[in-house]
Amino acid sequence: GAGVSQSPSNKVTEKGKDVELRCDPISGHTALYWYRQSLGQGLEFLIYFQGNSAPDKSGLPSDRFSAERTGGSVSTLTIQRTQQEDSAVYLCASSSSLNRGAEQYFGPGTRLTVT
Amino acid sequence: AQRVTQPEKLLSVFKGAPVELKCNYSYSGSPELFWYVQYSRQRLQLLLRHISRESIKGFTADLNKGETSFHLKKPFAQEEDSAMYYCALQTGANNLFFGTGTRLTVIP
Repeated sequence: GAGVSQSPSNKVTEKGKDVELRCDPISGHTALYWYRQSLGQGLEFLIYFQGNSAPDKSGLPSDRFSAERTGGSVSTLTIQRTQQEDSAVYLCASSSSLNRGAEQYFGPGTRLTVT
Repeated sequence: AQRVTQPEKLLSVFKGAPVELKCNYSYSGSPELFWYVQYSRQRLQLLLRHISRESIKGFTADLNKGETSFHLKKPFAQEEDSAMYYCALQTGANNLFFGTGTRLTVIP
């Protein structure tokens, strides 16, 4: 079946604009995760969803970042008033289980460039 | 606080030589550790996980709690092993904490 998909694949935006990034997880996967990969950095955890709720929002870097998930499926990550330091690859992953050791399946990422 | 350290950004080995990618972690709880790999123009994917005690594509990794390490090893490197490798730690919150990655190049 289809893997995790993300859109857009690339997004260039001007500083101060809002952007929305979309993630379609694997069908039936309960858990959904957002990560960010900045140049020269490892992957940084942002937020995860269990169903439609987000028990852990501790990784969101500022209140300009928010995320939601509806219907236990699609998730959107919104960045308001983008700044240049928001430029990064944003990765989404999903998992069929929240059990420890469960594999996360990653999407191809959205490359965000803030000019 | 949890942390994953991969001390080598770049690692080059010759085909057929042994390879070891280092990973050290810091976590006060019981760790679950993973190695993820990203081949050129492909998405990040799971290579192996500590909990499964498995060997994938000839790679193994042993959790050493005394040294807080989870090094990835392969006795004979192949050209197709060239990729970016990430060590990751899963905490009780289920999210993954990644190291900064090691780019492995296997020289023919």
